[in-house]
Amino acid sequence: GAGVSQSPSNKVTEKGKDVELRCDPISGHTALYWYRQSLGQGLEFLIYFQGNSAPDKSGLPSDRFSAERTGGSVSTLTIQRTQQEDSAVYLCASSPPARRGGLRYYNEQFFGPGTRLTVL
Amino acid sequence: AQSVTQLDSQVPVFEEAPVELRCNYSSSVSVYLFWYVQYPNQGLQLLLKYLSGSTLVKGINGFEAEFNKSQTSFHLRKPSVHISDTAEYFCAVSDFGNEKLTFGTGTRLTIIP
Repeated sequence: GAGVSQSPSNKVTEKGKDVELRCDPISGHTALYWYRQSLGQGLEFLIYFQGNSAPDKSGLPSDRFSAERTGGSVSTLTIQRTQQEDSAVYLCASSPPARRGGLRYYNEQFFGPGTRLTVL
Repeated sequence: AQSVTQLDSQVPVFEEAPVELRCNYSSSVSVYLFWYVQYPNQGLQLLLKYLSGSTLVKGINGFEAEFNKSQTSFHLRKPSVHISDTAEYFCAVSDFGNEKLTFGTGTRLTIIP
């Protein structure tokens, strides 16, 4: 079946502009995650959705970053007034309803190909 | 807070030689451990995971990893590597109450023909 898809695959923008990055999770997956992969910082968690709610936004680096999820499906990550340090690959992942893995439930995350954002 | 350390940023290995990629983690609670692989210009793919039970876990493409609780390690091994194993490998941890994955900085595995 179809995996996680992200669009656009590449985005070049000018400093100060707003950008929107889209994630289409695997059908039926209830959880959705955004991560950022950059040269200096490695892979960092940004935000997690369960359904349309975001119980963990702890990784969003500033108030210029926001995300929403509608209909328990598509998610959009918005970066306002982009800065050069926002340049990175933005990865989205989704996971099915939690499964038992010993002591507790866990979510296996399936990743999309990412959106490469370049801020000039 | 949890953290993951991958001590080797780059590992060159001759084709058909064995390889070990090291991963150490810190966490105050029980953890789940993962290895992901990222092939050039592709997304992350799950190689293997440790949830509970046997400390030796086997994954795809002939990789395996061993969970060592006393040493807080989860090293990845393969007895004989192939050119197609050239990729970046990420160790990750999630712990109780946290849905997010915390990743190491990655190890770039380069296979020398």
